[in-house]
Amino acid sequence: GAVVSQHPSRVICKSGTSVKIECRSLDFQATTMFWYRQFPKKSLMLMATSNEGSKATYEQGVEKDKFLINHASLTLSTLTVTSAHPEDSSFYICSASIAGDIRGEDTQYFGPGTRLTVL
Amino acid sequence: QKEVEQNSGPLSVPEGAIASLNCTYSDRVSQSFFWYRQYSGKSPELIMSIYSNGDKEDGRFTAQLNKASQYVSLLIRDSQPSDSATYLCAVNSGGYQKVTFGTGTKLQVIP
Repeated sequence: GAVVSQHPSRVICKSGTSVKIECRSLDFQATTMFWYRQFPKKSLMLMATSNEGSKATYEQGVEKDKFLINHASLTLSTLTVTSAHPEDSSFYICSASIAGDIRGEDTQYFGPGTRLTVL
Repeated sequence: QKEVEQNSGPLSVPEGAIASLNCTYSDRVSQSFFWYRQYSGKSPELIMSIYSNGDKEDGRFTAQLNKASQYVSLLIRDSQPSDSATYLCAVNSGGYQKVTFGTGTKLQVIP
């Protein structure tokens, strides 16, 4: 149980294009989904927190107009990197928390990640 | 600022030994604590969660929590080369379902 998928797993795009990454909770409903970015040999950096049906909460320093997050349902959140540039190349990982999880509603389950390379 | 501190390592242990990973946190009111394992190039996977003082065992893994001293540790018994990874400590920082991650400790199990 508690499986989170991401699509695509890897994407290469040209500078200036937009890239959409999907995050799905496959066997549970997620009250909250999180988007992280991780540069090589660096720690996870939380970008934003999203709840179904409401606007995402972005961390300080993360441009909300550049990283568009849509949490359309309890099982799907999308991150769109708009007008991508080489400095946006990174490993993007989503996670989801289970609604009503008796073990603790703040347990996060991670997707496999999406490696973005912007040329 | 709420912080979660881990020694970056690498921590090297011989195969079969006990690996001990430590984590301290600054927010005294933290309630939930997690250990994740992250292999190179992969996303984190949950190993254990712990909410109460004391020990919690799951197979070869034991999490230990001491809220008075504000530390949480992870013991890995009978370490295997496949345990070689970066271990992330995460602490609920009081925000709505939001946790703070440490920078991780790299573990190397030497065959």
